[in-house]
Amino acid sequence: AQSVTQLDSQVPVFEEAPVELRCNYSSSVSVYLFWYVQYPNQGLQLLLKYLSGSTLVKGINGFEAEFNKSQTSFHLRKPSVHISDTAEYFCAVSPRRNGNKLVFGAGTILRVKS
Amino acid sequence: AAGVIQSPRHLIKEKRETATLKCYPIPRHDTVYWYQQGPGQDPQFLISFYEKMQSDKGSIPDRFSAQQFSDYHSELNMSSLELGDSALYFCASGGSSYNEQFFGPGTRLTVL
Repeated sequence: AQSVTQLDSQVPVFEEAPVELRCNYSSSVSVYLFWYVQYPNQGLQLLLKYLSGSTLVKGINGFEAEFNKSQTSFHLRKPSVHISDTAEYFCAVSPRRNGNKLVFGAGTILRVKS
Repeated sequence: AAGVIQSPRHLIKEKRETATLKCYPIPRHDTVYWYQQGPGQDPQFLISFYEKMQSDKGSIPDRFSAQQFSDYHSELNMSSLELGDSALYFCASGGSSYNEQFFGPGTRLTVL
């Protein structure tokens, strides 16, 4: 079984500041890792994913994440946030095989202030 | 590019009524997933279908049932609705050739 812990329920940050959203996971098998973003009253949009290879993954909208196997972490970062990045961000994992369900973390609300 | 289609987008029902949610996956995707996201909650996996057969089951109440049809669209049937069923229901598609899932816009169900 898999579980995901997002360590911060809310992260307030000023515009143009850097941000890190933390995600730790637990799994007895190898996993794929994902970050999704959900804007208010909208669906889930994939930001980025880690499947294998380079541990630094770049996604859309200037986001990147680093997979750390020893710490079982997959933290999301952006060097300079915009007001439009205000949203809820979900970390998710699935067993390393196509077609498996996603297990989500509780989500982190990123609030960007001007 | 074609996306996952869900209908209806919004649904209001009374307690003890039934509801049917529909999902049309991206063409050539062989797997459909259903997730439930309660207010302020993370999405929870309900059930999935691969090539029209149930492939995995999560925390889906016995009052709910689902199936995938020959054209690959899927329906989630919900009976004896309770207030706690009020949630956003997502359908996603993907499958054996894909290492990610593609989400639809969701159906917001409100039970009064």
